[in-house]
Amino acid sequence: GAGVSQTPSNKVTEKGKYVELRCDPISGHTALYWYRQSLGQGPEFLIYFQGTGAADDSGLPNDRFFAVRPEGSVSTLKIQRTERGDSAVYLCASSLMGQGEGYTFGSGTRLTVV
Amino acid sequence: GENVEQHPSTLSVQEGDSAVIKCTYSDSASNYFPWYKQELGKRPQLIIDIRSNVGEKKDQRIAVTLNKTAKHFSLHITETQPEDSAVYFCAARKSSSNTGKLIFGQGTTLQVKP
Repeated sequence: GAGVSQTPSNKVTEKGKYVELRCDPISGHTALYWYRQSLGQGPEFLIYFQGTGAADDSGLPNDRFFAVRPEGSVSTLKIQRTERGDSAVYLCASSLMGQGEGYTFGSGTRLTVV
Repeated sequence: GENVEQHPSTLSVQEGDSAVIKCTYSDSASNYFPWYKQELGKRPQLIIDIRSNVGEKKDQRIAVTLNKTAKHFSLHITETQPEDSAVYFCAARKSSSNTGKLIFGQGTTLQVKP
């Protein structure tokens, strides 16, 4: 596609529920990143995929968070047993080169846990 | 650990004046420093970046300078316009990392008054 597409744009869920956030990167971009942005803060790294594999998942806060990219294109961020502290904007980015350069961000999914 | 400090948190200038935003980083192994602009409710967009083998880079009204010894880098916007109003984020990437993980600063809200 022309840009990085994230769905849904907004998600409200009850505490304890499971959610999935989807990212569709720019066609041909092998590197894909997930970040979390809390209100008034800079994006915080969660996980990086190169192709199908998670090359760096050091930013995932705990085992409730998991992400996949089974075919090296679309990625899904999965959050189990959501907590109110998970409320944030979840941003996805992709790049052609990897190495953190040339990121194009999506518009994000605003997750609200009530 | 890796850390990027950004100052000021808010900056208000008159249209036509210059604006300077400064960031310091903690990891001397960092070698890539992008700047992102984020308008309200929109995705962060890369506006300029610099690598550690360069001291300064300019793109029209925007410039970035890097002082590796002091571990700080700055964004300079000249002849500011109301459309420059946004939140600006600096970031740093560690050279030893092959993951593309970026550490972001906390952001600077720039307001350009007409």
